[in-house]
Amino acid sequence: AQTVTQSQPEMSVQEAETVTLSCTYDTSESDYYLFWYKQPPSRQMILVIRQEAYKQQNATENRFSVNFQKAAKSFSLKISDSQLGDAAMYFCAYRSPQGGSEKLVFGKGTKLTVNP
Amino acid sequence: GAGVSQSPRYKVAKRGQDVALRCDPISGHVSLFWYQQALGQGPEFLTYFQNEAQLDKSGLPSDRFFAERPEGSVSTLKIQRTQQEDSAVYLCASSLVWTQYFGPGTRLLVL
Repeated sequence: AQTVTQSQPEMSVQEAETVTLSCTYDTSESDYYLFWYKQPPSRQMILVIRQEAYKQQNATENRFSVNFQKAAKSFSLKISDSQLGDAAMYFCAYRSPQGGSEKLVFGKGTKLTVNP
Repeated sequence: GAGVSQSPRYKVAKRGQDVALRCDPISGHVSLFWYQQALGQGPEFLTYFQNEAQLDKSGLPSDRFFAERPEGSVSTLKIQRTQQEDSAVYLCASSLVWTQYFGPGTRLLVL
């Protein structure tokens, strides 16, 4: 079974600075999907960024980018120019390829605090 | 367009009571998922549907948990004879291809 590990329960960053959240995963599959979701205190889970494992190029979405290291099974999230609104729980998630289980396997999350 | 909606947003139940949680997915989304999120934890998979077919219910913790999606749209998660350990946020998500979009969740408190 696949597992996802987020080794940083809490992180903090100064406004306008850059922060990197770590995620590692364990799988025997060669193709899969990886996601970062953000969950503010209101609890609505919002998709931040996604990556298909067969793509070597790292995904980017405005201030958010990932460092995908397939051999190391690592999928870290970098937030540039941090804003107060970025404060939330961040969850890394894994999904098997098409034809396999469509469920998401989540890590335990990292709580990000942004200091003004 | 409208996102995933869930009702009720909050539910307080007495131990032993039955509860029903509703999920309205994004229109046209084929797949629908239920997750359970305990306080301070990541969501854990319960079950998923493709249209009206329940393809995976491996995450349902006991036979007190039952989910249905009879017409391939709205889904209901039912918990019978609730217990205190059922207290959690229940999240619903829907997807068309491979990205899941989540609803706001239902916070269930069993006293």
